[in-house]
Amino acid sequence: DQQVKQNSPSLSVQEGRISILNCDYTNSMFDYFLWYKKYPAEGPTFLISISSIKDKNEDGRFTVFLNKSAKHLSLHIVPSQPGDSAVYFCAAPDVKTSYDKVIFGPGTSLSVIP
Amino acid sequence: DARVTQTPRHKVTEMGQEVTMRCQPILGHNTVFWYRQTMMQGLELLAYFRNRAPLDDSGMPKDRFSAEMPDATLATLKIQPSEPRDSAVYFCASGHNLNTIYFGEGSWLTVV
Repeated sequence: DQQVKQNSPSLSVQEGRISILNCDYTNSMFDYFLWYKKYPAEGPTFLISISSIKDKNEDGRFTVFLNKSAKHLSLHIVPSQPGDSAVYFCAAPDVKTSYDKVIFGPGTSLSVIP
Repeated sequence: DARVTQTPRHKVTEMGQEVTMRCQPILGHNTVFWYRQTMMQGLELLAYFRNRAPLDDSGMPKDRFSAEMPDATLATLKIQPSEPRDSAVYFCASGHNLNTIYFGEGSWLTVV
């Protein structure tokens, strides 16, 4: 049973436009979320996080929004650049294991078209 | 520039053979993870250690997979015997807290 879901396997966006990547979770106990970015042939790298005490966290072109009642979060990239083309993973710590165990979604592959 | 180092980067082996993947975590990190990336499941957690002690290996097929951390600078993931369905990218990651989980570049395993 996937506790972190990313229902869009892929997304294509024109350069300069907004990219919106979605993530849903099933465990209402999750209170911290992370986004990781992965280029081909590399390991994932941390991008941005959000705590459940906030509904928005912004870092440059990247903003994560959290809707706790809907158990939904989204990552917005504005403006999108070709270098943003990568796989994006949504993740949440497993609250049963003192937050060390991080559960990842299946990922969304973003293509930014020049 | 501290990084998680994994070997081998690529491995092609025949079904039934033993495969050992090695990971050198970042010095000072007390938590080490093994993840497997597949098309369908994304990043699956196989096992993880804190201060070298195994905390959870429930994600691993117990009959063929084993994970150990013989010392603070080395974590290993062994598959014996390997099967074609084990073909995937295996990532090691280390960290102290959630924001600082650093991944290695992965070991690409193909079992034929």
